[in-house]
Amino acid sequence: KAGVTQTPRYLIKTRGQQVTLSCSPISGHRSVSWYQQTPGQGLQFLFEYFSETQRNKGNFPGRFSGRQFSNSRSEMNVSTLELGDSALYLCASGLRLAGMTGELFFGEGSRLTVL
Amino acid sequence: KQEVTQIPAALSVPEGENLVLNCSFTDSAIYNLQWFRQDPGKGLTSLLLIQSSQREQTSGRLNASLDKSSGRSTLYIAASQPGDSATYLCAGAFTGGGNKLTFGTGTQLKVEL
Repeated sequence: KAGVTQTPRYLIKTRGQQVTLSCSPISGHRSVSWYQQTPGQGLQFLFEYFSETQRNKGNFPGRFSGRQFSNSRSEMNVSTLELGDSALYLCASGLRLAGMTGELFFGEGSRLTVL
Repeated sequence: KQEVTQIPAALSVPEGENLVLNCSFTDSAIYNLQWFRQDPGKGLTSLLLIQSSQREQTSGRLNASLDKSSGRSTLYIAASQPGDSATYLCAGAFTGGGNKLTFGTGTQLKVEL
């Protein structure tokens, strides 16, 4: 059974550019959530998508957005990149039974460096 | 505000020692708590999930407990090995939060030969 797949694994961008990251969940999982990990702030929740609808959103500016497709694959986009957006972006997939969470499984992450 | 705290931030032990990692949370409306392992530059590997109705879960040399009343969870690692060296993170899912996890800051474990 394939795990959570994130692409690209590494990318370098310059300030002001935008970036799109992709996440393919485990087969059968319809919930995809995104996290940002930095040395200073640790792991912070960005948003969760289920059945193509955003269900939860963390405290990030509107430059951070996402979407989910009918096959449960998800993308997140960061526009007008800032130096502080350099981070490891992690995607997690899981089931969502009766609106609540079960075990979540994470991908290897996308390492974004903003110069 | 839901907060998850892990103590200590770093721990170094000799091989073979049994050890306990601590996790505390401020919101008693916890739905479940998950322990993860993270190797440098890698993603998170799920170790154990404890539902709020459970008191403990075991997987091999790992045992995790959950005490909602005191707001604490512990991860017990028996007979530690150098391969256990990693950062261990606990994360809580709280009622009404869906699949949103609130993470602790992690405990960086080093098991020395």
